[in-house]
Amino acid sequence: EDQVTQSPEALRLQEGESSSLNCSYTVSGLRGLFWYRQDPGKGPEFLFTLYSAGEEKEKERLKATLTKKESFLHITAPKPEDSATYLCAVHHAGGTSYGKLTFGQGTILTVHP
Amino acid sequence: DTGVSQDPRHKITKRGQNVTFRCDPISEHNRLYWYRQTLGQGPEFLTYFQNEAQLEKSRLLSDRFSAERPKGSFSTLEIQRTEQGDSAMYLCATDKGSLSDTQYFGPGTRLTVL
Repeated sequence: EDQVTQSPEALRLQEGESSSLNCSYTVSGLRGLFWYRQDPGKGPEFLFTLYSAGEEKEKERLKATLTKKESFLHITAPKPEDSATYLCAVHHAGGTSYGKLTFGQGTILTVHP
Repeated sequence: DTGVSQDPRHKITKRGQNVTFRCDPISEHNRLYWYRQTLGQGPEFLTYFQNEAQLEKSRLLSDRFSAERPKGSFSTLEIQRTEQGDSAMYLCATDKGSLSDTQYFGPGTRLTVL
């Protein structure tokens, strides 16, 4: 069974203090790893898709990386507006071709000014 | 706005009542998914449609839950005889239908069962 574990559960940073969020996964054949941002009371907002180990993607202060067992979301010089829950999800290469995602529980990021 | 839309955004109901939620997908997105999210957890898969065909249902989807997607456009999720344990955020997501395509989520419907 696919398993996705995110750590830490919560992270408090000062504005400008860089850090990383971790997503560890156990999946039989990874087709894609997705990062989403979720603000309170809203639906998840897509950030990145990573398909193979060694792949990296960047967007503003965020950079996502992927290895064979985990993914990291690096946040450089965060701002208070980066405060949100960050969700990691995997799509595995099962017997079907559909895109059912298995999510981790999320990391709640709070950036203090 | 060309994103996924959901209606209503909030629903408060009494235990035992039936509720129905609607999801309107991004235009030309063939696949539509329903997820449920409880506080402090990530979304959990409930069911999905390829056009109008419902191709998989999670074991989380009890007999009280039913979903439809007539004509492959909007979808509805109905919960009959609601229970307090059904209180959650119900999320709809859609994608174009290619392998490992990106799913785009709607704003969700927050259900509270009293």
